[in-house]
Amino acid sequence: DGGITQSPKYLFRKEGQNVTLSCEQNLNHDAMYWYRQDPGQGLRLIYYSQIVNDFQKGDIAEGYSVSREKKESFPLTVTSAQKNPTAFYLCASSNEGGGEQFFGPGTRLTVL
Amino acid sequence: GEDVEQSLFLSVREGDSSVINCTYTDSSSTYLYWYKQEPGAGLQLLTYIFSNMDMKQDQRLTVLLNKKDKHLSLRIADTQTGDSAIYFCAESESSSNTGKLIFGQGTTLQVKP
Repeated sequence: DGGITQSPKYLFRKEGQNVTLSCEQNLNHDAMYWYRQDPGQGLRLIYYSQIVNDFQKGDIAEGYSVSREKKESFPLTVTSAQKNPTAFYLCASSNEGGGEQFFGPGTRLTVL
Repeated sequence: GEDVEQSLFLSVREGDSSVINCTYTDSSSTYLYWYKQEPGAGLQLLTYIFSNMDMKQDQRLTVLLNKKDKHLSLRIADTQTGDSAIYFCAESESSSNTGKLIFGQGTTLQVKP
């Protein structure tokens, strides 16, 4: 079945640690996106990538980093520089040029 | 920049119709979308409407678009308890060719039995 997978579903991190969230898609989509969701707020764009080996900052990129070495994969690293990392993180993908975005099931990150 | 606004909460009785409203600012958006999010899950596309359409109907869902007022609505007929979720309106960002979507804050729909 085609789709987007994210792992892990739940992630706990101690303060000062970097953690990496996985996002994989087998939809052959060129574009991939990372969003952060906080209670009562919409989705805020962290980073996006339209093509392999290229990515751009979204609205809240500070404290995060990404890579796009393969078309299928777009991992997100939450660094210790992110002051308030506890949130629900969503990955999405779409065809080149935009249109409908398909979402993964999300990863809930909690900083202890 | 572009912005999308939604009311935060709507409560209806099972069997009634639900109407979720959204306003947007980018008059050049090509597509407007409605997504549904169940608790602890990702977003699922419900329906979308092309900007040159006024209305789109898909089973129990009806989308109305008023381009003059930049107003989008989603009507759910015969609302069921399984429709309880957060509903997001989104517009495509026309100022760039990045495929970015601008999302509203989400409307929590509560369906009472």
